[in-house]
Amino acid sequence: QSALTQPASVSGSPGQSITISCTGTSSDVGGYNYVSWYQQHPGKAPKLMIYDVSNRPSGVSNRFSGSKSGNTASLTISGLQAEDEADYYCSSYTSSSTLEFGGGTKLTVL
Amino acid sequence: EVQLVETGGGLIQPGGSLRLSCAASGFTVSSNYMSWVRQAPGKGLEWVSVIYSGGSTYYADSVKGRFTISRDNSKNTLYLQMNSLRAEDTAVYYCARDEGSGSHPLALGYWGQGTLVTVSS
Repeated sequence: QSALTQPASVSGSPGQSITISCTGTSSDVGGYNYVSWYQQHPGKAPKLMIYDVSNRPSGVSNRFSGSKSGNTASLTISGLQAEDEADYYCSSYTSSSTLEFGGGTKLTVL
Repeated sequence: EVQLVETGGGLIQPGGSLRLSCAASGFTVSSNYMSWVRQAPGKGLEWVSVIYSGGSTYYADSVKGRFTISRDNSKNTLYLQMNSLRAEDTAVYYCARDEGSGSHPLALGYWGQGTLVTVSS
């Protein structure tokens, strides 16, 4: 069982917006602004999409945005595209100086 | 261009040892924060270990006391020494580097392609 809780799956139609949640505790998500989000296509390495809650690395579309409220972080993808279909993982720095990942969310673009 | 290439994976019996390597190019390993992350077949990501630029190391509880992260500055290479391997250590092992840009050290912006470790008799 992962320390961070994500929905197993979400879906949306092209052009729509979806949000993936990531719930932790005050020892991880709620205690630090160090939440990241990763996209992983089948057979590929993960790709960083959001870091430090809401920052986008260079080259990542502005359709991807992140936020946090209390012990829950969220990833929002607007203007869904077919290529967004992938697994998404959140991660958070912890009070033990380690990193935790969520269990992952499979995004299906209908 | 930042590149990370993992090698050293393979089939190993339970209780055995294996050392993974991650050859880096385009940056200096010792000046960055380097992590190992693994993914069991069909499962999610699991962080394994990190070595900070200053040399501090941290481990997931699941590998503490069995795995050791290190680096060779002269070879610009990261290592993961894995001892007392168990079936549940079977996974693709990725090395990863911090994103940079003032991000937290555990925001993993660069990843290798991974190397598969299979622990089985």
